[in-house]
Amino acid sequence: RKEVEQDPGPFNVPEGATVAFNCTYSNSASQSFFWYRQDCRKEPKLLMSVYSSGNEDGRFTAQLNRASQYISLLIRDSKLSDSATYLCVVTPLNTDKLIFGTGTRLQVFP
Amino acid sequence: DGGITQSPKYLFRKEGQNVTLSCEQNLNHDAMYWYRQDPGQGLRLIYYSQIVNDFQKGDIAEGYSVSREKKESFPLTVTSAQKNPTAFYLCASGGEQGVRGYTFGSGTRLTVV
Repeated sequence: RKEVEQDPGPFNVPEGATVAFNCTYSNSASQSFFWYRQDCRKEPKLLMSVYSSGNEDGRFTAQLNRASQYISLLIRDSKLSDSATYLCVVTPLNTDKLIFGTGTRLQVFP
Repeated sequence: DGGITQSPKYLFRKEGQNVTLSCEQNLNHDAMYWYRQDPGQGLRLIYYSQIVNDFQKGDIAEGYSVSREKKESFPLTVTSAQKNPTAFYLCASGGEQGVRGYTFGSGTRLTVV
């Protein structure tokens, strides 16, 4: 079983739609969680950290469910510029290493 | 502005050649990492270093070598022993035990010709 699993998509949604991605992780002792965004042929960029209490940044909401070992990302009012691959990232306990999922591709159309 | 710089952006290698990819950061981060990304795939860890003069193998270290003589620099050498080196190589740095995630360089796209 992969340490971090994501649905590769693609998710094709119209502008203005709400879309949600889930990601599951296998190491129950994982300590930190992130969502990264990666545009085609570019480096990943940190979108947001994910906290146990959930957190929101504008149109983006991230949540963590430790009991079920998954994190989620919700994007409201999708924009064309949201089209990208979204990477789920987990840090195991007592390590600096980040474990990346393979990403979920989002395509927003007019 | 602080950041992480990779060079070159594009690199072409002949069969049997060693090439070195540069990675420099001025973020004062202790930890630095090298990842490889193949088309349609996730990031795979090649090597990482948590402190100067020390580094550890990641998941796919065979055919690669690194050094960490300075905190700011973590060059990656792709040796002729790496059988399929064509890929997108990403360098990253991080502090605070990964709590704040990593910052990535803009990557080097290596092609074997």
